[in-house]
Amino acid sequence: EVQLVESGGDLVHPGGSLTLSCSASGFTFTTYSMHWARQAPGKGLEFVSDISQNGETTLYADSVKDRFIISRDNSKNTVYLQMSSLKPEDTAVYYCVKGGGDWGQGTLVTVSS
Amino acid sequence: EIVMTQSPATLSVSPGERATLSCRASQSVITSLAWYQQKPGQSPRLLIRHASTRATGIPARFSASGSATEFTLTISSLQSEDFAVYYCQQYSNWPWTFGQGTKVEFK
Repeated sequence: EVQLVESGGDLVHPGGSLTLSCSASGFTFTTYSMHWARQAPGKGLEFVSDISQNGETTLYADSVKDRFIISRDNSKNTVYLQMSSLKPEDTAVYYCVKGGGDWGQGTLVTVSS
Repeated sequence: EIVMTQSPATLSVSPGERATLSCRASQSVITSLAWYQQKPGQSPRLLIRHASTRATGIPARFSASGSATEFTLTISSLQSEDFAVYYCQQYSNWPWTFGQGTKVEFK
């Protein structure tokens, strides 16, 4: 059974930084691209970042480009999202998504003073 | 960025009735289109990939069709557990984008 467990969500001040982690199990991690998506409270869904199987190719939504960095450690079956220069509009539940459509349960990031 | 537009925003349906949801893309996504179901407090659940292929474990009452810019999700006979928000999502071009969702509510 595929399991994706996000962690690291917290309350952070505007301009602050945070790193999210996603621990994956139940599938061959190295054969799937991985993604981060988010959902602001009461709003729709947005993919924010993508990373290829070997980590060499990364993609970002314009809304987070130059502020967020996605990475993965294939020896630990873990994908990360380093977030910096956080803004109130980054407040959302952040989901880890496996290529092919499996989603984790999400972790809440709140950016507020 | 490809804009996905779903209609209607809300669909009021009685259990046992048929529900038809629409999704339009601002440019062709070929068949790189997924449908998700999301219930309150839960993460999205993949229903359909490649425009018409049911994901593992999805009941046959869910069917979908379409290509290029016009797509449809049909729930043939609504069950109580089907009341939720449904999103279409294209994965043809990055950034992958979602529609704004269709809420299927109890009539």
